[in-house]
Amino acid sequence: DAKTTQPTSMDCAEGRAANLPCNHSTISGNEYVYWYRQIHSQGPQYIIHGLKNNETNEMASLIITEDRKSSTLILPHATLRDTAVYYCIVLGSNYKLTFGKGTLLTVNP
Amino acid sequence: DAGVTQSPTHLIKTRGQHVTLRCSPISGHKSVSWYQQVLGQGPQFIFQYYEKEERGRGNFPDRFSARQFPNYSSELNVNALLLGDSALYLCASSLPGGHISGTQYFGPGTRLLVL
Repeated sequence: DAKTTQPTSMDCAEGRAANLPCNHSTISGNEYVYWYRQIHSQGPQYIIHGLKNNETNEMASLIITEDRKSSTLILPHATLRDTAVYYCIVLGSNYKLTFGKGTLLTVNP
Repeated sequence: DAGVTQSPTHLIKTRGQHVTLRCSPISGHKSVSWYQQVLGQGPQFIFQYYEKEERGRGNFPDRFSARQFPNYSSELNVNALLLGDSALYLCASSLPGGHISGTQYFGPGTRLLVL
């Protein structure tokens, strides 16, 4: 399974865009990038996923570089409720999710 | 529509005991996965079941076992509990099929404390 590298923590001001980077330089051509988040003491929550093209849904946007070696999750207008650990995951050929330690995003008022 | 439900929410056991955790998937979801999350770490994959068959297994000892029932609910069993088994146990359900199975919906978890 391709490994991912994320910063341990990031801060963002409320109302501003939060840009969370992820490096996945060993990703294979048919492997998808998934993003989840986990708010304290809750189960992880699916956010978005993509293969090659940029994706957008009601929660976030996912920007994947052309070489697919990195991606960025964008929360366009962060709120205090977006404070959570964000996980970037490459879905392996066995279709199991392998979580790393993620990025703790703290949204400040 | 109800989300993934898990029971019990909290559990305290002593070393050497056995525990059974239960999970009900979202209606229409036929695949269930189990994860263990110890404090400060991301969830670690234990099992995935689809149509009552084990589809994947993580790096966990044989003390861990699971099964899926005809109604797609699932049980996780852990025998001979160790202190290190103390963790949040998460269940997730998904529609099976390729990358779609990566879109998993998690329950609130069962917090197990082994004394």
